[in-house]
Amino acid sequence: NAGVTQTPKFRILKIGQSMTLQCAQDMNHNYMYWYRQDPGMGLKLIYYSVGAGITDKGEVPNGYNVSRSTTEDFPLRLELAAPSQTSVYFCASSYSAEFTEAFFGQGTRLTVV
Amino acid sequence: GDSVTQMEGPVTLSEEAFLTINCTYTATGYPSLFWYVQYPGEGLQLLLKATKADDKGSNKGFEATYRKETTSFHLEKGSVQVSDSAVYFCAAGNTPLVFGKGTRLSVIA
Repeated sequence: NAGVTQTPKFRILKIGQSMTLQCAQDMNHNYMYWYRQDPGMGLKLIYYSVGAGITDKGEVPNGYNVSRSTTEDFPLRLELAAPSQTSVYFCASSYSAEFTEAFFGQGTRLTVV
Repeated sequence: GDSVTQMEGPVTLSEEAFLTINCTYTATGYPSLFWYVQYPGEGLQLLLKATKADDKGSNKGFEATYRKETTSFHLEKGSVQVSDSAVYFCAAGNTPLVFGKGTRLSVIA
């Protein structure tokens, strides 16, 4: 099983550029999440989705956008990249809200210069 | 909202030493509790979980017991190995999960 696949693994952006971080899962999970992990810090939730067509903001949504047109895919869009968005981004998915584990992708390391 | 506080590291132990990483949570109701592990350059993997009070989660020699009275879920291992070196995250809640800041463990031979 592929699980949760994130692309790209690494990316360097210039200030003001835009990009989309891709996330796909093949486990038919309803719930998907985007977290960012800053150096030495825990994970902060950016956005999450409880099903196709439904998204909601997390703790740190500013500067990001998401869409969920299919169950499998949950891309994260960065508009007008800023140095403060330098981080490692993790996508995760889970089958349901309660009791079940979240499966994580390998992460995307983004540097904004 | 829900929050998780865990012992901040780094923690350095000799091989075969006893490990405890403290974790407490603040939440409405009684959320499921999890410990995740992150090896260098990788994503997070579930280590163990507990879904109700007094449940004990265990995996790979690690254990944690859901203590409702102290709102805690401390991670323990009786004898750590070099291969246990990683960052450990406590998490609580349903959707979405709330994570602690992580505790970096280094085990030296």
